[in-house]
Amino acid sequence: NAGVMQNPRHLVRRRGQEARLRCSPMKGHSHVYWYRQLPEEGLKFMVYLQKENIIDESGMPKERFSAEFPKEGPSILRIQQVVRGDSAAYFCASSLGLGQETQYFGPGTRLLVL
Amino acid sequence: GEDVEQSLFLSVREGDSSVINCTYTDSSSTYLYWYKQEPGAGLQLLTYIFSNMDMKQDQRLTVLLNKKDKHLSLRIADTQTGDSAIYFCAVSGNTPLVFGKGTRLSVIA
Repeated sequence: NAGVMQNPRHLVRRRGQEARLRCSPMKGHSHVYWYRQLPEEGLKFMVYLQKENIIDESGMPKERFSAEFPKEGPSILRIQQVVRGDSAAYFCASSLGLGQETQYFGPGTRLLVL
Repeated sequence: GEDVEQSLFLSVREGDSSVINCTYTDSSSTYLYWYKQEPGAGLQLLTYIFSNMDMKQDQRLTVLLNKKDKHLSLRIADTQTGDSAIYFCAVSGNTPLVFGKGTRLSVIA
């Protein structure tokens, strides 16, 4: 009964490189959410996706960030041309949907931009 | 938009009760959650309450909701050293889940 899985757990990138973060939701969950946590801060919503659809991306920076949740495979959060300010913990959560919105979180990916 | 506020620190002695408080602004919030985060880890869902409830008890955890004052609290009975962590209040309704900044609970043996 695997929970939400994220990989990698830690990712180091140099400025200007691309970061790809992966999230596999809990079995049976079709809704995925991405959050960013800066040091000493709470989690900030970034994007909400269902399979092949972006439902709400109101928290996503307009440039360099994109997210997808394909029909097959994990959800991917992609950050192009990373900058030092992108260093943070990125958490994925999933929910069942269909009115059951309780979100279960993965262990997070800690991104460090040098 | 929704704003969720928590005190940042709480220190209690082992065996005492801990009470962590949270206030929110959006009266249409329907689900209210408490998550626990240990160092370097993800968020663990502790408990949640629907907005049509006043209280929920689950073993050592008691959640109280005062909708009039938009105040949510989490009481941990018989606090143990293993309860030391950051506790996040989160609310949802017509907007995505909004988190407070977290309350760092320190348990003194």
